[in-house]
Amino acid sequence: QVQLVESGGGVVQPGRSLRLSCAASGFTFSTYGMHWVRQAPGKGLEWVAEISDDGNNKKYAESVKGRFTISRDNFDNTLDLQMNSLGPEDTAVYYCAKVLCSGSSCPHRPFDCWGQGSLVTVSS
Amino acid sequence: DIQMTQSPSSLSASVGDRVTITCRASQGISNYLAWYQQRPGKLPKLLIYAASTLQSGVPSRFSGSGSGTSFTLTISSLQPEDVASYFCQNYNSAPSITFGQGTRLEIK
Repeated sequence: QVQLVESGGGVVQPGRSLRLSCAASGFTFSTYGMHWVRQAPGKGLEWVAEISDDGNNKKYAESVKGRFTISRDNFDNTLDLQMNSLGPEDTAVYYCAKVLCSGSSCPHRPFDCWGQGSLVTVSS
Repeated sequence: DIQMTQSPSSLSASVGDRVTITCRASQGISNYLAWYQQRPGKLPKLLIYAASTLQSGVPSRFSGSGSGTSFTLTISSLQPEDVASYFCQNYNSAPSITFGQGTRLEIK
């Protein structure tokens, strides 16, 4: 079955960097767009970044643009999020998420599978 | 950015009640609207997409409707396991992917 397993979270000081990874299995990873979504403690969901199936197209929320970089390795079936210049406002559980379907005949791409989440705490 | 506004922010209902949650978009999004359920301490779960299409495996008591700027999620007969937060999502096109602020549903 589809599995997404995040790693790399932890406590980091303001201004420092952290890299999250998401290991995918159970589906043809290279044919699906992928996303990162975060959820601050006790708060709602915030979309962070998207990457296309081939990795050539990337989009970011304004709140992270210029600081975060999404990438993927379709040989290792992994999705990464490099987070630089972290601030307390970045404290959240970070989820990787897979879109429902792929290809040109798929207009609707909500997120049908989520990883278990990786907690990032930015604190001095 | 497209803003998604849910109402109410919380509600309490009895088992068997019909429950409706509303989501409004700040501009038209056609039917690029999904609903997610997040039970306490759990992952978000896709319930409905394309405004009204039930995701595989989701109980039929859940339904969605709407198009453009106004959408609703309805639970026809509330069950104890439906205690959760519910989020709407506009997935029309990044970077305009936005979630509503959530509705917390409790049992009376």
